[in-house]
Order: sequence, then structure tokens, then C-alpha cells
Amino acid sequence: DGGITQSPKYLFRKEGQNVTLSCEQNLNHDAMYWYRQDPGQGLRLIYYSQIVNDFQKGDIAEGYSVSREKKESFPLTVTSAQKNPTAFYLCASSISGTGTYNEKLFFGSGTQLSVL
Amino acid sequence: SQQGEEDPQALSIQEGENATMNCSYKTSINNLQWYRQNSGRGLVHLILIRSNEREKHSGRLRVTLDTSKKSSSLLITASRAADTASYFCATDDELDDYKLSFGAGTTVTVRA
Repeated sequence: DGGITQSPKYLFRKEGQNVTLSCEQNLNHDAMYWYRQDPGQGLRLIYYSQIVNDFQKGDIAEGYSVSREKKESFPLTVTSAQKNPTAFYLCASSISGTGTYNEKLFFGSGTQLSVL
Repeated sequence: SQQGEEDPQALSIQEGENATMNCSYKTSINNLQWYRQNSGRGLVHLILIRSNEREKHSGRLRVTLDTSKKSSSLLITASRAADTASYFCATDDELDDYKLSFGAGTTVTVRA
């Protein structure tokens, strides 16, 4: 069953703690993305990766870090430097670029992160 | 940065009625996409319309694009309770092939 798997579904972070959100895809897509969604708002791009071992900052990268060591995996770490981490985090993938290549995004089911 | 803006923010209709929502954007695009999100879930792609297309259909969905007005509309015909969701438009970035900008969405409630 092909798709994108995010885990955990719910995550709680204590003050000063780093937490890592998992994202795995078996669609053989080159590009992967992390978005943040706040209540009643649209999605904001945190980081994206066009290919293995390469990634770029999105619009709100401060306080977050990523790695792309394997094509299938794109974990997101929310560091203690992110002062307002409570949000719904969505991972997505695409075959290639969504602009001139006209590709669509495939999304995981999300991780709700809350601060204790 | 958010380029697309949906209108209205919320819409409540009776089952069987049509639902129309609009999206406006600011800069040139290669394509415009519509996505749907059920509460607490990920987004699902609905339809992509390219900048050289004016109208596209998919089942009960009809999307129009007017590049001169920098706007798009999504029409859902003969709505069902299962259409209750938030709908987002997304536009690509003319400077970055991998950036999609999403609006804040239109929340549609279909009453039985």
C-alpha cells in the first residue's frame, strides 16, 4: 500500500526539549516537504528536499532542522529554539518540482505537536 | 509567503446544492492546484489547472482559471455530506520549482 507515513500522530514536548517527527514514503518520489499548519490557517513551508543529501529552507525554517540521508525518509526535528511549536505538521512528497513540472503533492496524515 | 487567498472563509450549504469558492493570487504562475482537507487529516489533491488552461472538470468538480484577473474558482456540484471539508488553493513560485504557497482555505459544511 503506497503512501506517506507520519509518526507519531500526537506528540508532546517539554520546555527545552528537542523532538523529532518521522516521515517515510514508499512512492519513490525524489522531493519531500515539511509544512506547518496553525488553526484556521494555510500551510507554511518549513523545509524541502529535492533529492537525497540535499535540502533547502522554506519560509519558516528557524527553530527546525531536517536530514535526508535516504530517499524514503525526511525526519523533522523541532528544536528548543522554536518557541511556539504547537501546530499540526504535515509531510508531503512529489515526483519532482510542482512548478514547471506541474507535479502534485501527496500528503501524510499529520502529527499534532503540543507543548506540555 | 502565502500567495493564494480563498473567499469565502466559510460556507454552509444544503445537501444537493452547489458550492463555489474563489482563490486570488498575486504573481505569475505555471499552475494552480486545489486540495481538500478533512478535519485533523492530511491534504488530498483534487485538481491541477495549468496557466494556459481556462477550465477543467473532474467528476463533480469544475475549476476555472482567469490569469488576467489572477483568480480561480472551484465549483462542487450536487454537494454531499461527505464534501464537508476545508478546501485550499495552492500556487507555484515563479522563482522556485519546489515551492507551493497555500491560502488559508474555505471551510465548507454540507447540511443533510
